[in-house]
Amino acid sequence: QITLKESGPTLVKPTQTLTLTCTFSGFSLSTSGVGVGWIRQPPGKALEWLALIYWDDDKRYSPSLKSRLTITKDTSKNQVVLTMTNMDPVDTATYYCAHSVYAKFFDYWGQGTLVTVSS
Amino acid sequence: EIVLTQSPATLSLSPGERATLSCRASQSVSSYLAWYQQKPGQAPRLLIYDASNRATGIPARFSGSGSGTDFTLTISSLEPEDFAVYYCQQRSNWPLITFGQGTRLEIK
Repeated sequence: QITLKESGPTLVKPTQTLTLTCTFSGFSLSTSGVGVGWIRQPPGKALEWLALIYWDDDKRYSPSLKSRLTITKDTSKNQVVLTMTNMDPVDTATYYCAHSVYAKFFDYWGQGTLVTVSS
Repeated sequence: EIVLTQSPATLSLSPGERATLSCRASQSVSSYLAWYQQKPGQAPRLLIYDASNRATGIPARFSGSGSGTDFTLTISSLEPEDFAVYYCQQRSNWPLITFGQGTRLEIK
């Protein structure tokens, strides 16, 4: 059974760096084709893909946010970490991590974590 | 950058009716198109992948079609639990992944 869970701060101040951790079980991020992605959703708005890391440590980012994002993995801990620098109130959103196969689709999702950016 | 445009933005139908949702890509995405359902307060749920394959556990009333730039999600006979927001998602070389802006399916 594949499960994923996001963790991190619920409130960050403008200009701070956000660090989110996705802890997963039921699969290995060293298996060929497997990836873990991050997707966010501002309140009442659409989904936005942020980043994805593949089993071979290849990393892809949304072009519009690439300069602010870093995604890493710790295969031994079954974790993927996303950092986003220079947070702004417009970054207020629910952040999801999700399992992917060759990045074609996301078949398992975490419950999401709401991050509010406010002073 | 590939842009996905979903239409209509809102679809008002009654239970038992047929729903047809559209997703158009700004350039070809081959068959790398997925559909998700999202209910309030929940994470999205994968319905369809590779344009026409139902994900595990998805009822047969959900079907997907299309290739290239034009895709359709059809719900053959709406059940009360089907009223939700639906998103399409593509995977290409660059940017890797994008989502459409969503279609809200509401009860008429």
